[in-house]
Amino acid sequence: NAGVMQNPRHLVRRRGQEARLRCSPMKGHSHVYWYRQLPEEGLKFMVYLQKENIIDESGMPKERFSAEFPKEGPSILRIQQVVRGDSAAYFCASSPNAGAVTDTQYFGPGTRLTVL
Amino acid sequence: QKEVEQNSGPLSVPEGAIASLNCTYSDRGSQSFFWYRQYSGKSPELIMSIYSNGDKEDGRFTAQLNKASQYVSLLIRDSQPSDSATYLCAVIATGGFKTIFGAGTRLFVKA
Repeated sequence: NAGVMQNPRHLVRRRGQEARLRCSPMKGHSHVYWYRQLPEEGLKFMVYLQKENIIDESGMPKERFSAEFPKEGPSILRIQQVVRGDSAAYFCASSPNAGAVTDTQYFGPGTRLTVL
Repeated sequence: QKEVEQNSGPLSVPEGAIASLNCTYSDRGSQSFFWYRQYSGKSPELIMSIYSNGDKEDGRFTAQLNKASQYVSLLIRDSQPSDSATYLCAVIATGGFKTIFGAGTRLFVKA
């Protein structure tokens, strides 16, 4: 399967714990996007990364959230000291040529985070 | 005003009918427009992309774009029960990085 991979698919954390969500883009894609989807709502852009660079993090909450896309390995979305309001589905998407008018994003299966 | 607006629905159509889904956007400089389908509990799946004014057809799907009116639509011909899903309109903001999604329209196709 050469698609976007995310793990874990389901993650349960207690309030105050840390959540780490991983995303491996499609082969040949070097651009990664993270989105959050609350129940019955649309996707909200969080951050856009290229290898070793954060390009646009305008959708990221100012505190507790961080993202990285190292030279080797998957992209990581990290949520520190989780609260119940962080419970959502987190989707990763990848694209080959971000910034091109015709660029298309391909979505992973998502990680469903539940905070108890 | 929301950046990308869609009627939340639900939109209910009988099997075999044409389903019409609409979307308006506020960023006049946007150049790229997408329709995604999302089944409950699943990830979004790209249906159509459109970049120029006019119509673009792909099988049973036709996307229509009118940049002057800041309006994009999706027509689904010969609707099938398997088309029942939430349809998300997405627009890439000026600058080319940030994708703004509408809240989605729920479509029900009755057999």
